[in-house]
Amino acid sequence: EVQLLESGGDLVQPGGSLRLSCAASGFTFSTYAMSWVRQAPRKGLEWVSSISGRDGSTYYADSVKGRFTISRDNSKNTVYLQMNSLRADDTAVYFCVRGHYGLNYWGQGTLVTVSS
Amino acid sequence: DVVMTQSPLSLPVTLGQPASISCRSSQSLVYSDGNTYLSWFQQRPDQSPRRLIYQVSNRDSGVPDRFSGSGSGTDFTLKISRVEAEDVGVYYCMQGTHWPRTFGQGTKVEIK
Repeated sequence: EVQLLESGGDLVQPGGSLRLSCAASGFTFSTYAMSWVRQAPRKGLEWVSSISGRDGSTYYADSVKGRFTISRDNSKNTVYLQMNSLRADDTAVYFCVRGHYGLNYWGQGTLVTVSS
Repeated sequence: DVVMTQSPLSLPVTLGQPASISCRSSQSLVYSDGNTYLSWFQQRPDQSPRRLIYQVSNRDSGVPDRFSGSGSGTDFTLKISRVEAEDVGVYYCMQGTHWPRTFGQGTKVEIK
């Protein structure tokens, strides 16, 4: 059974940093692309970033480019999202998702709140 | 960026009746490999999204056959043949062909 377990969400001040983690199990992690998708309170879904399984190529939404970094450790079956220079509009539930052509498995999400 | 436009944004339906959601993209979603990466997701209240349909018309495992997807190029549709109470939630389309990936605004399905 595919499982994705996010962690690291917290309350952080504007300008601060946070690192989200997503521990994956139930599939051959290294062969799959992984993505982060966020959902602001009472809003729709917004794709944030993806990383390929094969060569580690990374992709970012313009709204986070230069501030967020996606990475993966295939030995730990974990994908990360390093978030710097956080802003109030980064407040959202962040979902870890398998894939990037079609996002077929989703974690339960971790809440990031950016507020002073 | 590819803009995904869903309609309607709110869809009150009667139990047992059909429902249909449209999703239009601002560019063709046919990828260089010949596939069309258009997916549909269901998000029930207080739950994570769940994929229902991938590559326009393929149902994910465990998805009831009352859900079906169709379309091509820039015009896509999700249909529910007979709405059940458990279908209440918000439905999103998403394109996985172009970077950045983009979602539709969401269609809220509720029971009349």
